[in-house]
Amino acid sequence: NAGVTQTPKFQVLKTGQSMTLQCAQDMNHNSMYWYRQDPGMGLRLIYYSASEGTTDKGEVPNGYNVSRLNKREFSLRLESAAPSQTSVYFCASSFRGGGQDGELFFGEGSRLTVL
Amino acid sequence: AQRVTQPEKLLSVFKGAPVELKCNYSYSGSPELFWYVQYSRQRLQLLLRHISRESIKGFTADLNKGETSFHLKKPFAQEEDSAMYYCALRYSSASKIIFGSGTRLSIRP
Repeated sequence: NAGVTQTPKFQVLKTGQSMTLQCAQDMNHNSMYWYRQDPGMGLRLIYYSASEGTTDKGEVPNGYNVSRLNKREFSLRLESAAPSQTSVYFCASSFRGGGQDGELFFGEGSRLTVL
Repeated sequence: AQRVTQPEKLLSVFKGAPVELKCNYSYSGSPELFWYVQYSRQRLQLLLRHISRESIKGFTADLNKGETSFHLKKPFAQEEDSAMYYCALRYSSASKIIFGSGTRLSIRP
């Protein structure tokens, strides 16, 4: 039981390049999330998916796209990377209902540097 | 707009001293509040939620709707409490969850 798995763990990009961060969870969770973590800014929600087939913008969606590929997988795409997107990205998932309702389970994070 | 505010970026206290990490929120609906913790080289994890009204690792937090606060408290700090703490808000029964900017707690021996 791996929980939430993110790939890659580290990536360096040049301005204008594109890339996709992959996230998968094996806990049969309904909801999945992408956050970015920046010093002094905390965790900011980029996009989330309440259930398979739906996605919604979070607090800082500009410059990103997401795909909820199936119940397990939720990817984050940077079409044209900018230095302002240098950050640590976290994927998380949660279950609706029951004792764990709303609790987020996080991946280890992906450190992205855009030069 | 909905917001979670953690006014202290860094809080440093001596071992054995009381700890209070502040969290204020703005939300017109019925909020669900959480505290998450990130220990060094570990994943972010849930510490406690207001619905449970429980004490975890000696920490408690009470939701004060009048003051729109959810402060985290511990009467006697321990060195292993040193970590990054985040307050989080879930919008009623929706899936959207937002976080504050975090407070780094440092416990001095």
